Amino acid sequence: QKEVEQDPGPLSVPEGAIVSLNCTYSNSAFQYFMWYRQYSRKGPELLMYTYSSGNKEDGRFTAQVDKSSKYISLFIRDSQPSDSATYLCAMSLSSNTGKLIFGQGTTLQVKP
Amino acid sequence: DAGITQSPRHKVTETGTPVTLRCHQTENHRYMYWYRQDPGHGLRLIHYSYGVKDTDKGEVSDGYSVSRSKTEDFLLTLESATSSQTSVYFCAISPGVGREGTIYFGEGSWLTVV
Repeated sequence: QKEVEQDPGPLSVPEGAIVSLNCTYSNSAFQYFMWYRQYSRKGPELLMYTYSSGNKEDGRFTAQVDKSSKYISLFIRDSQPSDSATYLCAMSLSSNTGKLIFGQGTTLQVKP
Repeated sequence: DAGITQSPRHKVTETGTPVTLRCHQTENHRYMYWYRQDPGHGLRLIHYSYGVKDTDKGEVSDGYSVSRSKTEDFLLTLESATSSQTSVYFCAISPGVGREGTIYFGEGSWLTVV
């Protein structure tokens, strides 16, 4: 069993829809949770970062962490075609967040 | 964009040959990392460095070695390339402990071993 599970999709939604992306994990010691966006043939870029449980909002993006359920989510409101990308969840044990454990990524397509 | 340059960006090599990938940063960050990305596996840590000449193994380090003789350069060497090392390799940098979440990735190096 992988430490971090993420449905690879693909997920296809119409423009303007609310998108929900999720990851589950098995290691209760994870403390730092991140979402990265990766466009085709590009490097991952950090979208959201959360420490421990709770919500964090940044524009159209909301990240949620539920440590009791070992479940994290990323919500995208008013989705745009430019949001079409692969979304990777990642988590780490310590504040040296370069040592990350990644999910395999969910491919999202937002259709105009 | 974070000041990270990976070279080469694309390479085809033969099984059994040594290959070196280079990561160069202009941010003077302490931490540098090499990840590989494969379908069905996401990104996995190969090796990382927490300072000049200070390196350690990651999750998938077998068959790889690294060196860091200068703050700005982190080299990944495939000692004898195998087809299982065909992958996309990403370098990443981070200021280090206390700067949670501020990890930046390079654009990737596509390696094919035939």
